[in-house]
Amino acid sequence: KNQVEQSPQSLIILEGKNCTLQCNYTVSPFSNLRWYKQDTGRGPVSLTIMTFSENTKSNGRYTATLDADTKQSSLHITASQLSDSASYICVVSAYSSASKIIFGSGTRLSIRP
Amino acid sequence: EAGVAQSPRYKIIEKRQSVAFWCNPISGHATLYWYQQILGQGPKLLIQFQNNGVVDDSQLPKDRFSAERLKGVDSTLKIQPAKLEDSAVYLCASSLEGDLAYEQYFGPGTRLTVT
Repeated sequence: KNQVEQSPQSLIILEGKNCTLQCNYTVSPFSNLRWYKQDTGRGPVSLTIMTFSENTKSNGRYTATLDADTKQSSLHITASQLSDSASYICVVSAYSSASKIIFGSGTRLSIRP
Repeated sequence: EAGVAQSPRYKIIEKRQSVAFWCNPISGHATLYWYQQILGQGPKLLIQFQNNGVVDDSQLPKDRFSAERLKGVDSTLKIQPAKLEDSAVYLCASSLEGDLAYEQYFGPGTRLTVT
């Protein structure tokens, strides 16, 4: 069964600190993995996308990694800011007769001043 | 570039009533998605359109949910009759093509409360 699991479910850190969010998946056959940021009351916005051959991708203070062998991904946020408070959702796509898009439940990140 | 538009933003109805949501995708985007996001969970795909044809509706509860995309542009999602468990945010997204490499752009969502 195709699944995407994220941890932790929620996280609180102080402004300026770094943090790492985890994503484990059992999606097959793997197409790509995206990290989305979803602010409260808004739709998700894509941060990064990685295919099978990529193992790291950066977008400003956000760095995503992918280990296709262990089927794990992480999103590292450097020097957190108050505006980073949001839910971060890992989304894995699979090739199939009808392409499958599987969303994780997200990690709720709160940045405290 | 204008984003994905959705209306209404909020809707409160009683169970067994009907409700409809509207989505206007980004101009030129061939693929349109409807998602259901229950509080504390990630979005769940309900239906995917490629132009005005359905690509995937395997998770759409067809006994009460229906969707259409006439002329391959705007789309409506209808629930009839609504149940309490339909309370959720309904997100519409669009992308240039259905290839998964293309980024999906999401609208702000419609928050539905069924009482």
